Amino acid sequence: AQTVTQSQPEMSVQEAETVTLSCTYDTSENNYYLFWYKQPPSRQMILVIRQEAYKQQNATENRFSVNFQKAAKSFSLKISDSQLGDTAMYFCAFMKHVKREGSGGGADGLTFGKGTHLIIQP
Amino acid sequence: DAGITQSPRHKVTETGTPVTLRCHQTENHRYMYWYRQDPGHGLRLIHYSYGVKDTDKGEVSDGYSVSRSKTEDFLLTLESATSSQTSVYFCAISGGTDYGYTFGSGTRLTVV
Repeated sequence: AQTVTQSQPEMSVQEAETVTLSCTYDTSENNYYLFWYKQPPSRQMILVIRQEAYKQQNATENRFSVNFQKAAKSFSLKISDSQLGDTAMYFCAFMKHVKREGSGGGADGLTFGKGTHLIIQP
Repeated sequence: DAGITQSPRHKVTETGTPVTLRCHQTENHRYMYWYRQDPGHGLRLIHYSYGVKDTDKGEVSDGYSVSRSKTEDFLLTLESATSSQTSVYFCAISGGTDYGYTFGSGTRLTVV
């Protein structure tokens, strides 16, 4: 079974600062995906960024980037130029790749960390 | 997201009563999931489905059952609700080649 650990229950930074959220995971799988999801007060789960384990290059989406260290099983999220709208819960998630017969590919679902509540102060 | 809807959005029920939550998708995705979210626990997988009438248990399946008689609908049933099942329930769908997930808006269930 996989486990995902987010060691920072809450973080607070000033607007425009850079903040890094940490995530570590434990797995014996070699083929998997990692995700960061954002959950604002509206409760909607929003995908922030995704990383395929076989890719060495770190994923980037505008102000969001990851530092993926496969050997260390670490997957941190960096938010640059933080904005008030970045205030939310952030969840790190793991998905092992499971190939199902006749399906062309599929998954058994996501394993989530407990989340980090990020507060951006004006 | 317009491709996935959950109903109801809120529900209050009494201990011991049966409850069914519905997840409906219009994306024709193969995979559907039910999660619960509790403070301090993140989201935990209850059950999932990989096709019509094909389901499997997740991490926290005790006290829950599911059914999927059509591709578009995935039902989560609490046969006899307990206070420990008070939670926010999320449905998610996944399909295609990018292994992306789309989440519903969630159902807040309160068992009193």
